[in-house]
Formats: sequence, structure tokens, C-alpha cells
Amino acid sequence: DQQVKQNSPSLSVQEGRISILNCDYTNSMFDYFLWYKKYPAEGPTFLISISSIKDKNEDGRFTVFLNKSAKHLSLHIVPSQPGDSAVYFCAAALMDSNYQLIWGAGTKLIIKP
Amino acid sequence: DADVTQTPRNRITKTGKRIMLECSQTKGHDRMYWYRQDPGLGLRLIYYSFDVKDINKGEISDGYSVSRQAQAKFSLSLESAIPNQTALYFCATSDEANEQFFGPGTRLTVL
Repeated sequence: DQQVKQNSPSLSVQEGRISILNCDYTNSMFDYFLWYKKYPAEGPTFLISISSIKDKNEDGRFTVFLNKSAKHLSLHIVPSQPGDSAVYFCAAALMDSNYQLIWGAGTKLIIKP
Repeated sequence: DADVTQTPRNRITKTGKRIMLECSQTKGHDRMYWYRQDPGLGLRLIYYSFDVKDINKGEISDGYSVSRQAQAKFSLSLESAIPNQTALYFCATSDEANEQFFGPGTRLTVL
């Protein structure tokens, strides 16, 4: 029973365009959501996060949107660059569980030149 | 130098062997975690520790044990490895915030 789902295993986007990565969750009690980026042969690295009390958080080219009624969050990358090619994981956390992270399966983003 | 290091980076072993994966961190964080990643799945938590005297089971702890030897060191053991423990293993650390910092991973193959 996956509590955090990333339904697109891969996504291909033209360089310079917008990349939109999606994530759905089932537990309405999640307090915090995070996006991580992973290159081959490396561990995941933190990208951006959002608290459940907000609906948007922006950091440079990266924006995360949270729609609590739909239990959906998305990561927007504008403009997409070749170095953005990586696997992106979304994760959710519950304060009551000591913020243990529940991870999605990841989406492989490919930026085409 | 990397803040979170894992040794070995790759290991091939046989069914029934005892294996230890080691993790060290220089970030000064109290919290440390062990995850495994399988193809098509997200990271799943095996064990975590919030300080040297604290050990907690995660989602998939069966077949694994851990030791928190010091604030900076957290090792994962497979007492008797089996083929379905073939996976990519990650160690991570965090302070009290949510952001976790990961090591480069250990690719373990059990034949």
C-alpha cells in the first residue's frame, strides 16, 4: 500500500521548457513534503520542501505546489537545463512518527538538448 | 571530503554470509538512518537512530541489525544474507529538521 505515489516512471522535456513532476499521496495527515534529486552512483540530495500549511514554495528555478484537497504536489522546473536530468523523488513526513520519510518510487527526468 | 561516507561501495557475497555495511558522517548530526532502494520502489527505511543510545526499527527491519558505535558511526549488518536482500543501501543523517543528507550508497549483491 503505497502512501506516496509517483505515477510517471520517466519524463522527457526539451531544454529551456518547463518540467513538471507529479506526486500523489493518500495520508491527509502528512505535515511536510520534500523533493530530492538523485544522480547515478550518488545518494539523493535535498532539493526543496513545503509545509502542509502552505500551498507554494519557490527556490530559484524550482517551485513546489501543494494541493491538499487533491492530495497532490508537483515540482516545476523552469527553465529546464541539461544538468536537471536525474531521478526525482518526492517524500512525505509525519510529525507524529518523528518525521520518518515515506518515499515515492521516483521519476526519471531527461532533458533533451 | 564527503560529509557522509559508506563502505564498501560495492559488495558481492553468497547466501548465508554475514555482511556489515558501514556509515560515517562528519556533519555532527545526531540522527542517522539506513534505507534500501529496489528497482521501481522508493527508499524504504530499515533502521534509524536519534542518538547513540537510541535504535528504532523502520518499515523493513527483518533480517537486519544495526549498531550505533558513536555519534558519527552507524553500521548495518545482515546476519545471514539472502538473495532478496540484493539492493542499493543508503545511509543518511539529519539534525532536527526534516532534510536528510545521504551517503553515496552501497550496491549489495547476494548470490
